[in-house]
Amino acid sequence: QKEVEQNSGPLSVPEGAIASLNCTYSDRVSQSFFWYRQYSGKSPELIMSIYSNGDKEDGRFTAQLNKASQYVSLLIRDSQPSDSATYLCAVRGSNYQLIWGAGTKLIIKP
Amino acid sequence: NAGVTQTPKFQVLKTGQSMTLQCAQDMNHNSMYWYRQDPGMGLRLIYYSASEGTTDKGEVPNGYNVSRLNKREFSLRLESAAPSQTSVYFCASSTRGGARDEQFFGPGTRLTVL
Repeated sequence: QKEVEQNSGPLSVPEGAIASLNCTYSDRVSQSFFWYRQYSGKSPELIMSIYSNGDKEDGRFTAQLNKASQYVSLLIRDSQPSDSATYLCAVRGSNYQLIWGAGTKLIIKP
Repeated sequence: NAGVTQTPKFQVLKTGQSMTLQCAQDMNHNSMYWYRQDPGMGLRLIYYSASEGTTDKGEVPNGYNVSRLNKREFSLRLESAAPSQTSVYFCASSTRGGARDEQFFGPGTRLTVL
């Protein structure tokens, strides 16, 4: 069974610090990787996608992918209270469907 | 441009009742999806429609049926609701379902089955 694993948290980070969220996956042929943010009671919202090994930056967000080690991470710089949410990792498998992690709850403390 | 819309937002059913969840998108997307989200679990795919006129089972299709009414609309039907179907249901859409395809979600329907 293809799996995507995330630490459920909560991960507590001081305001202004860097938040680091991690995700591991089991399907070696996975091609595409996505990070979604989900506020309580709301729907998932796409933050970033990454397809190649290395880093991809978008504003305060950086996604990192290491296919050899089968992990993908999301860094949030200068964390703000508005970043407090659950972050979902999704991995596209060989059948082109997304496999989802259960999410990491992030709390930014003022 | 409303994106993906879902109705209703909330619903309470009794065991054995039936209902249809509606989803529509105005982004001219080809692919549409129905997921359920339960506490402590990742989103699980119920059914998807890669393009108008096609539907396929996902990970957890039992107890559900779908209809791709046209390119815009994709409905999910519960024929005989069970308490195990208490969940939050999300509809999503994407351009064409390829490897780099990004999915966009509707606001969700919170369903409780008593």
